[in-house]
Amino acid sequence: QSVLTQPPSVSAALGQMVTISCSGGSSNIGNNDVSWYHQLPGTAPKLLIYDNHKRPSGIPDRFSGSKFGTSATLGITGLQTGDEADYYCGTWDTRLSAYVFGRGTKVSVL
Amino acid sequence: QAQLVESGGGVVQPGGSLRLSCAASGFTFSSYGMHWVRQAPGKGLEWLAVIWLDGNDKYYADSVRGRFTISRDASQNTLFLQMNSLRAEDTAVYFCASDGTYYLNYWGQGVLVTVSS
Repeated sequence: QSVLTQPPSVSAALGQMVTISCSGGSSNIGNNDVSWYHQLPGTAPKLLIYDNHKRPSGIPDRFSGSKFGTSATLGITGLQTGDEADYYCGTWDTRLSAYVFGRGTKVSVL
Repeated sequence: QAQLVESGGGVVQPGGSLRLSCAASGFTFSSYGMHWVRQAPGKGLEWLAVIWLDGNDKYYADSVRGRFTISRDASQNTLFLQMNSLRAEDTAVYFCASDGTYYLNYWGQGVLVTVSS
C-alpha cells in the first residue's frame, strides 16, 4: 500500500488534456514539495516537474503541476502519442524519513 | 551534462550479497545527496535509500533497512549499495539518482539484479 494514491490509468484522445491526481497526507504532500516523473517503456524515469510546479530545462509547457493541501495534480495538454508512459508522483515523507512514490499512472492516447 | 552509470548487477542466490556502484560525472558529486530506487518486473518505483552530503546522514526504506547499506566515495565520484541477505523479492532493476533538494533530478540507466537459485 503506497503512501501516495494515484489512479492506475488515464486516457484521452490525441490533442486533448489529461490530469493525474496524487493524494497524500500531512506528513508528505501537506508539508513537502511534490515532484513528477515519467517513464517510457524500458527506460529510466525522468524528472518532469519539481517543487510542485517547476519544469526542468527541456520539458515543454504542455506539462504543468499544482498542489493544494495534501493533493497534487499533473496536467498534460495537447496529448501526443509520445506521452504514452507511466507517470509517478513523489515527495519526502517527514514522518517516515523516507522518499515516497505513488504507484504510478499509465497514460494512454486514444 | 550530468551522467550516472550503474554497475555490479547480476544473478545471485537467495541469502547472497551484491555490491552495486554508481559512477557520477558532469556535476559536483560531493555537493548532492544521492538515492537508490528500484523497480521490480512490471511494478512501480520503490525508493530504497538516500545518503546526504557528508555521507553520515542516511535513511532507508523499511523493506531494506538492516540488509542494505548506502555509501559514497567522493574521491571516486561513486555511490554504492551493499546488498546482503538477498531475497527473491529483491529482484529488480536498480537505479541511482541525484537529489535536487527532495526531488530526483538525474537518473542512471539502471542495472538488473536477479535473486534466484
